[in-house]
Amino acid sequence: GAVVSQHPSRVICKSGTSVKIECRSLDFQATTMFWYRQFPKQSLMLMATSNEGSKATYEQGVEKDKFLINHASLTLSTLTVTSAHPEDSSFYICSGRGPGNTIYFGEGSWLTVV
Amino acid sequence: TQLLEQSPQFLSIQEGENLTVYCNSSSVFSSLQWYRQEPGEGPVLLVTVVTGGEVKKLKRLTFQFGDARKDSSLHITAAQPGDTGLYLCAGARSGGSNYKLTFGKGTLLTVNP
Repeated sequence: GAVVSQHPSRVICKSGTSVKIECRSLDFQATTMFWYRQFPKQSLMLMATSNEGSKATYEQGVEKDKFLINHASLTLSTLTVTSAHPEDSSFYICSGRGPGNTIYFGEGSWLTVV
Repeated sequence: TQLLEQSPQFLSIQEGENLTVYCNSSSVFSSLQWYRQEPGEGPVLLVTVVTGGEVKKLKRLTFQFGDARKDSSLHITAAQPGDTGLYLCAGARSGGSNYKLTFGKGTLLTVNP
């Protein structure tokens, strides 16, 4: 089946710095990718929808200047958390829209801001 | 506004028991997907149902899509400890580039040996 890979799987950064998370579709082209945030034992919260070659569409309440999303190619989308704070610590998951509109998820990235 | 109501939110049962998870909405979806997620990992797709009234089976798991495509259920027969995880339903609405997947709150299932 289709595979989506996220990198890094775990990252620790200092408060005030920026951190980038990559999401790659390995064996299909994803014109649309999605970024989610998940807190422990809770469901996925959609942050933004990223369409290749255009600006991301952010969900209500998500700061677009803080969570920068770039979808420069059909196989890569990146999420950059700028000026990170401890409250940004979370599990971030991306997904790609694949063949037949099936959504394939990455393995997730744990972000810890200290 | 939570468009997809999933219940129960938590479920703890003994090995061998049966269980059903429900996913309900007032909206119509073009398709509905069920995922299972282990702690610290991304969700893994279990099944996609597309047609109203559709029933799909995956070993001990039976998935059903409501006739009106507004609700779905997941039934697990003779649950095993390996079934433990977070089960998520997600409804899809497609409109060209406006494709969006809406998730339920999830059901955290624990199967005790």
